[in-house]
Amino acid sequence: EPEVTQTPSHQVTQMGQEVILRCVPISNHLYFYWYRQILGQKVEFLVSFYNNEISEKSEIFDDQFSVERPDGSNFTLKIRSTKLEDSAMYFCASSMVVYEQYFGPGTRLTVT
Amino acid sequence: GDSVTQMEGPVTLSEEAFLTINCTYTATGYPSLFWYVQYPGEGLQLLLKATKADDKGSNKGFEATYRKETTSFHLEKGSVQVSDSAVYFCALSDQTGGSYIPTFGRGTSLIVHP
Repeated sequence: EPEVTQTPSHQVTQMGQEVILRCVPISNHLYFYWYRQILGQKVEFLVSFYNNEISEKSEIFDDQFSVERPDGSNFTLKIRSTKLEDSAMYFCASSMVVYEQYFGPGTRLTVT
Repeated sequence: GDSVTQMEGPVTLSEEAFLTINCTYTATGYPSLFWYVQYPGEGLQLLLKATKADDKGSNKGFEATYRKETTSFHLEKGSVQVSDSAVYFCALSDQTGGSYIPTFGRGTSLIVHP
């Protein structure tokens, strides 16, 4: 069964460093998303991407964040200068229809 | 804004026990409601959904009924198994304004003992 994959599973970085989280969505899906979950808190929407551009983003997704689909398979989330409060589990998702999203296993980002 | 409130966990049950995980919501429009499940080490999976009042979503022995009058979507299963141990997320998608982005609850951890 096709699935969304994410790498790495765990990323440790120092405050102020740039990180890139990688996702490979399901191959025939058209919509791509990033979410995050700070430990003990809710899953929060960051950004959605369709037709090679951002279609929607939340207040969390400020200028420190960017997304890219550099080729036909990868979907990346970049955080330019990480802060302690960026420590969270980051989930990628993809969908063919907008309300039925398939999620990856997540990348745990730890900022020290 | 829209929000989802679900019961605090962990919920600890013995195998074959009856499960209820409560979920209530507030929404400005007429949302669709979802339950997602996250097994250890895996991503969130859509478990079931309901798109209008009195609809019952069901899958893998789990069910939930969309109750508009009580703004609730409680998850139930008659007889849980050890393999049901996971984190369960209630979510809504309020398509007002054309957005389908779901709003999630905090998740409820279920632990089932043999």
